[in-house]
Amino acid sequence: NAGVMQNPRHLVRRRGQEARLRCSPMKGHSHVYWYRQLPEEGLKFMVYLQKENIIDESGMPKERFSAEFPKEGPSILRIQQVVRGDSAAYFCASSPQDTHYEQYFGPGTRLTVT
Amino acid sequence: GENVEQHPSTLSVQEGDSAVIKCTYSDSASNYFPWYKQELGKGPQLIIDIRSNVGEKKDQRIAVTLNKTAKHFSLHITETQPEDSAVYFCAANSGYSTLTFGKGTMLLVSP
Repeated sequence: NAGVMQNPRHLVRRRGQEARLRCSPMKGHSHVYWYRQLPEEGLKFMVYLQKENIIDESGMPKERFSAEFPKEGPSILRIQQVVRGDSAAYFCASSPQDTHYEQYFGPGTRLTVT
Repeated sequence: GENVEQHPSTLSVQEGDSAVIKCTYSDSASNYFPWYKQELGKGPQLIIDIRSNVGEKKDQRIAVTLNKTAKHFSLHITETQPEDSAVYFCAANSGYSTLTFGKGTMLLVSP
């Protein structure tokens, strides 16, 4: 039973470019969460999605960041016009429908903005 | 919103000793408290969790205790081994869907 999958594992972007991070939840999981981790800090919640719905985006920056979880395919976290401060590890987690809080994390995407 | 404080930030123990990591939370409505282990370059791994209807939970060498009155919970690792070395995060649920994490404890177990 495959775990949460994220790709790419490493992503390098120049300032002003777009970054697209992908997340496939565990089989049978219908809830996806995105977190950001800065060096030597904990994980900060960004957004919670179910298929075709954004449930809670209270942790998302108001500009340049967006997320989706389409009916088919992986969840996508999109960062437009990246800046150096966007450099971080971005983690996706998924949970089963009936236990929202048991979240299982993927290996993360490490974004570096040059 | 929820605020989770975690101590200590680093912890060094000898192999075979016990390790204790403590967290406090602010939202009395929180009722789910997971612990994650993160190894270098990897994603956080859920190792144990506790819900507010119990005060203690054990799984082999790890245990978690919860004091809802004082709003704190702790992770206990007994008979530590070098492979326990990692960063450990506590968390508490906030609202309907999100987890608020502590800043982490780097545990180093020396042979």
